[in-house]
Amino acid sequence: NAGVTQTPKFRVLKTGQSMTLLCAQDMNHEYMYWYRQDPGMGLRLIHYSVGEGTTAKGEVPDGYNVSRLKKQNFLLGLESAAPSQTSVYFCASRLAGGTDTQYFGPGTRLTVL
Amino acid sequence: SQKIEQNSEALNIQEGKTATLTCNYTNYSPAYLQWYRQDPGRGPVFLLLIRENEKEKRKERLKVTFDTTLKQSLFHITASQPADSATYLCAPKVRDKIIFGKGTRLHILP
Repeated sequence: NAGVTQTPKFRVLKTGQSMTLLCAQDMNHEYMYWYRQDPGMGLRLIHYSVGEGTTAKGEVPDGYNVSRLKKQNFLLGLESAAPSQTSVYFCASRLAGGTDTQYFGPGTRLTVL
Repeated sequence: SQKIEQNSEALNIQEGKTATLTCNYTNYSPAYLQWYRQDPGRGPVFLLLIRENEKEKRKERLKVTFDTTLKQSLFHITASQPADSATYLCAPKVRDKIIFGKGTRLHILP
């Protein structure tokens, strides 16, 4: 099993450009999450999904959109990137029920100039 | 609002000694609390979970305690090794979500 994978690993954007980050998991998990991690701020939840076709806002959703068309994939979109979105983005997934233990991907380092 | 506090300063421990990391929380009573390890350039990895009705949990050289009166969890690594150097995050369950602390960087000095 590959677990949780993220594409791309690194990306540099100019202000105003758009992009999509892809998260894929092969563990048949129902729940998926997108976080951003900034120095001194810890992990902050952007959006999450409790199942295929459903999404919900987290703590810092502004400037991002998500889609979960297939159970195994969770996409994070930036429609018009801003320098404040420079960060490391992590995707995570977990089974429904149980103890909320999350499995994380390796991260995407995004720089917006 | 919910608040989680972990040692903001890095912790330097001599190899072979016990490392103790602290997680304090305020304004809520978590049903359980998880600890994760994060290495540079990688995503967090789950280590241990302790429930509110458990005082202590062990896994190999790791031990976690949970004091609901003090609103504190302690994470211990005994016989520490340089390979234990990483950032450790505590993550209490608050109502229906997990909230991650900012983490404590641990350096085990050879």
